[in-house]
Amino acid sequence: DTAVSQTPKYLVTQMGNDKSIKCEQNLGHDTMYWYKQDSKKFLKIMFSYNNKELIINETVPNRFSPKSPDKAHLNLHINSLELGDSAVYFCASSQDGSSYNSPLHFGNGTRLTVT
Amino acid sequence: AQKITQTQPGMFVQEKEAVTLDCTYDTSDQSYGLFWYKQPSSGEMIFLIYQGSYDEQNATEGRYSLNFQKARKSANLVISASQLGDSAMYFCAMLPFYNQGGKLIFGQGTELSVKP
Repeated sequence: DTAVSQTPKYLVTQMGNDKSIKCEQNLGHDTMYWYKQDSKKFLKIMFSYNNKELIINETVPNRFSPKSPDKAHLNLHINSLELGDSAVYFCASSQDGSSYNSPLHFGNGTRLTVT
Repeated sequence: AQKITQTQPGMFVQEKEAVTLDCTYDTSDQSYGLFWYKQPSSGEMIFLIYQGSYDEQNATEGRYSLNFQKARKSANLVISASQLGDSAMYFCAMLPFYNQGGKLIFGQGTELSVKP
C-alpha cells in the first residue's frame, strides 16, 4: 500500500520536449509538494499545494506548472525541457502544511534526464 | 536565517555498533520541528524520526533516537546496532514555525556506510 506514489520512476527525454510527472497520495493529507534534488543531493522545495490551492511557488521557472485536480493528486508538467532540469523530483505530502510538527512523506522520486 | 548544517559528509561504522550523525540548526523561532530522513541508494526518501522544539524527551523510533540539545541547537541522530541496510544518505531537516506551507529546510546530508 504505497502512501505517496509517483510515476514514472525514470524519465529520459530530449531538450525541448514537454513531459509530466504524476503523483498521488492515499494518506488523506491536505498538503502536497514538489521537491527537487540536484546532482549534489541538495533538496529544495518547488511548490506546495493545500487542498488544491497553491501555497508556495519557490521562484521556479514558469516552464514548470503544477496541477492539482484534487487534494490527493499533484502533477508536475514541464515544458521545453532544458539540460539543467535534469534532477530527481520528489512528490511529498503532509497532514497539515502550516504546522511545524507535520512530517512530510515522500514518494520514491522521478529521475529526470534531459539529453 | 534558517539553516541546517551537517558537518559529516561521510561516516563509516562497523556493523552492530552505534553511530551518531551530527546536525545543528539555526533559527530564531521558538517553535519548530526537526526531522531525519534516510535515502538509500535506491533513491526513495524515508521519514525516520521527528522532534518538536517543546518536546522534553528525546524522540525514539526503534533503533533510531534523536539526541536533542536545544540550547546547543543540535539534533543528532543516533542509530544503535547498525545493520548493513542502514548504509544510506541521511538528511536532517527543519520546519520553522512560520514554515510557509511545508517548506522543509534540509541539510547537506551525511553518507553512512556500514562495514561488515
